Amino acid sequence: RKEVEQDPGPFNVPEGATVAFNCTYSNSASQSFFWYRQDCRKEPKLLMSVYSSGNEDGRFTAQLNRASQYISLLIRDSKLSDSATYLCVVNGYNAGGTSYGKLTFGQGTILTVHP
Amino acid sequence: AAGVIQSPRHLIKEKRETATLKCYPIPRHDTVYWYQQGPGQDPQFLISFYEKMQSDKGSIPDRFSAQQFSDYHSELNMSSLELGDSALYFCASSSRGAGTYEQYFGPGTRLTVT
Repeated sequence: RKEVEQDPGPFNVPEGATVAFNCTYSNSASQSFFWYRQDCRKEPKLLMSVYSSGNEDGRFTAQLNRASQYISLLIRDSKLSDSATYLCVVNGYNAGGTSYGKLTFGQGTILTVHP
Repeated sequence: AAGVIQSPRHLIKEKRETATLKCYPIPRHDTVYWYQQGPGQDPQFLISFYEKMQSDKGSIPDRFSAQQFSDYHSELNMSSLELGDSALYFCASSSRGAGTYEQYFGPGTRLTVT
């Protein structure tokens, strides 16, 4: 089982639609949580960090449920430019509890927004 | 704003050759990470450095080594290249001292081993 699992997708939605992505993580020691987007053959770009209180950035809302080890991303009023792969990413201590830094990625969910 | 710089952007090598990838982190970032992304896969963590010391190690083959220099740039050295090493190699940087742990990725080096 992967350490970070996402909806398999792909998602094909019309412009203006609302779309939600879900993600679960297995390492309860995980400390920080992020959503990245990645365009084809490009680098992952940080979309937003995810906090327990939930956070919103324009059309994007992220939620974290530590008890359920569940992360979500909601995109409202989808734009053509939102088409990309969305990566759920977790950052936490390793098994030895001695370091903090490496990112563990989900397999990504492909979103295509069409006219 | 300045971003992470990686060089070269593209590299073609033959089997058993060596390659050196370079990464220049965002100014004032103290931590550098290396990731490998194979075709159709998610990025896999290789190794990281904090203040020029190795801080964590992932699935990095013994044929690979890396270091961070006094100016904070990092190099990933790859020897005895194999066909399976063909991938996108990303460098990311963060400011651990700022306590955010957000990592910013460079554009990557696309390595093709023939």
